[in-house]
Amino acid sequence: NAGVTQTPKFQVLKTGQSMTLQCAQDMNHEYMSWYRQDPGMGLRLIHYSVGAGITDQGEVPNGYNVSRSTTEDFPLRLLSAAPSQTSVYFCASSKSAPSDEQYFGPGTRLTVT
Amino acid sequence: AQTVTQSQPEMSVQEAETVTLSCTYDTSESDYYLFWYKQPPSRQMILVIRQEAYKQQNATENRFSVNFQKAAKSFSLKISDSQLGDAAMYFCAYRGGSQGNLIFGKGTKLSVKP
Repeated sequence: NAGVTQTPKFQVLKTGQSMTLQCAQDMNHEYMSWYRQDPGMGLRLIHYSVGAGITDQGEVPNGYNVSRSTTEDFPLRLLSAAPSQTSVYFCASSKSAPSDEQYFGPGTRLTVT
Repeated sequence: AQTVTQSQPEMSVQEAETVTLSCTYDTSESDYYLFWYKQPPSRQMILVIRQEAYKQQNATENRFSVNFQKAAKSFSLKISDSQLGDAAMYFCAYRGGSQGNLIFGKGTKLSVKP
């Protein structure tokens, strides 16, 4: 199993540009989520999905869009990048039970200039 | 809303010594799960240990153990026989029994001195 994969690992955007961060898992996990990590802030939930076709907002959803057309993939779209979106982004997945371990991807470091 | 607080932004320990990282949380739920994650400089998030709230026995994984005080809403991580490879950011996290989202503390940066 490849686990949770994310692409790209690094990205630089100009303000106003759009892009999609890719996330895929091959463990047949129902639950997937996106977090952002900023210095001194821990990880904060952006969006999550409990299964294909179902998504919901987390703590900091503004400026981001998600969809879940398959169990495997959960892309995160930045609609119009802003410097405040400079961060490290993590995708995670788990089985559906709250006791289940969440597996994290390697992260994407995004810089918006 | 649930919150997780890690009051120690940075900690330091001598190699082979023991260190305890603190975590407190606030919740009105009775069914929940608590986790400690390690993030080394590689940035990868690694699960260290997990505790089910309904279990009174403290979880242990090799050199890592927790002190879970449910009434006090405290969940500290003890690392015994510290090794250089233990140097990392450590995050405490909460996951409620009715939904699957992890809520993280802000982290504690652990340094290990040789």
